[in-house]
Amino acid sequence: DAGVTQSPTHLIKTRGQHVTLRCSPISGHKSVSWYQQVLGQGPQFIFQYYEKEERGRGNFPDRFSARQFPNYSSELNVNALLLGDSALYLCASSLKVAISGTGSRDEQFFGPGTRLTVL
Amino acid sequence: DAKTTQPNSMESNEEEPVHLPCNHSTISGTDYIHWYRQLPSQGPEYVIHGLTSNVNNRMASLAIAEDRKSSTLILHRATLRDAAVYYCILRDSREGAQKLVFGQGTRLTINP
Repeated sequence: DAGVTQSPTHLIKTRGQHVTLRCSPISGHKSVSWYQQVLGQGPQFIFQYYEKEERGRGNFPDRFSARQFPNYSSELNVNALLLGDSALYLCASSLKVAISGTGSRDEQFFGPGTRLTVL
Repeated sequence: DAKTTQPNSMESNEEEPVHLPCNHSTISGTDYIHWYRQLPSQGPEYVIHGLTSNVNNRMASLAIAEDRKSSTLILHRATLRDAAVYYCILRDSREGAQKLVFGQGTRLTINP
């Protein structure tokens, strides 16, 4: 079975441009999360979507937006790119939103990421 | 978000056990302890998680202190493929969102 796929694998943009990153979750997974990983740091949570609705948002500016489509794939959009947006952008999928209070086995499956370089 | 503390790096030899420590002195009663690892040039992958009791799976074991203020990920027989950054993460089971809060992690080096 195919894992989480992301496109493109690498991308170079200049300051002020915008970018769209794409993610296809594992078949049957309805939840998609986005993370930003700056070189040398752990991933930082950006968004989670479930059933096309935003279910969580990290501490990122409004330049970052996302959406989820009926087939559960997702796009991450970043406007007005800054040099500091250079990072590995990771997408993770899971079966569903964790059932609150149960600590259910809600492991997330990560894709290989998109390496964004802003010049 | 509850914080975890891990050593920046550890080194071990192939085919020997590895014990990766994690301190989480501010853990709350509803926090689960999750471990993920990130191999070079890959996204993180789930390793194991637990609440109070020790847990075993095909990848590793998780030993949780009685007071839950620390835990240890145990790789029983390390291979070169286990070289990765290992992240210890606390996740509040009350939260519906599946936000994972990653720290710096421990970079594990395995010597042949």
